[in-house]
Amino acid sequence: DAKTTQPTSMDCAEGRAANLPCNHSTISGNEYVYWYRQIHSQGPQYIIHGLKNNETNEMASLIITEDRKSSTLILPHATLRDTAVYYCIVRASTGNQFYFGTGTSLTVIP
Amino acid sequence: GAVVSQHPSWVICKSGTSVKIECRSLDFQATTMFWYRQFPKQSLMLMATSNEGSKATYEQGVEKDKFLINHASLTLSTLTVTSAHPEDSSFYICSARRLAGGGGFGANVLTFGAGSRLTVL
Repeated sequence: DAKTTQPTSMDCAEGRAANLPCNHSTISGNEYVYWYRQIHSQGPQYIIHGLKNNETNEMASLIITEDRKSSTLILPHATLRDTAVYYCIVRASTGNQFYFGTGTSLTVIP
Repeated sequence: GAVVSQHPSWVICKSGTSVKIECRSLDFQATTMFWYRQFPKQSLMLMATSNEGSKATYEQGVEKDKFLINHASLTLSTLTVTSAHPEDSSFYICSARRLAGGGGFGANVLTFGAGSRLTVL
């Protein structure tokens, strides 16, 4: 599975959009981009996933560049409850395991 | 939605004893479940892949005799930490794999339990 690179930490003002970047320059054609988040001392929570096209659900939007070498997770209106570590994972659809990197620690500031 | 229940949520045990952690998928069947462990301020580390009806597959460096995994049904996987020692104290998290559609395609996603915090005295 392709390796991902994320900033270690980010801050975002409450009510503003939080844009979390992820680089995956070695991604293959059959690999999906997944985003999970982990609030302190809880199990990770699935957010969204995509292959080529941009995706949106009730939690967030996922923007994937045309060359698929990077993506951005967007939380449109960040709240204090969005403070968490956000993990970007790239994994083939036929793959089995999910390996977590170090993620981005997002702090939403009042 | 998909829910994974993990029990117990926390456990304290004496050194040398064994501890069993259960992971159940409540509203879907999971042929594959995964066990992770997480130390403070670190990311999740995959320990093993649990396959229903067959032996678990362990990641490199994880002792299979130390961490016994059983996946006897499509909704239950268990992790037993045998002869636990203080260095085994950690946050253990299970997850179950399911298909999830979206954007016109399907892909496997993981649903995680809430985690089990083990403290070995």
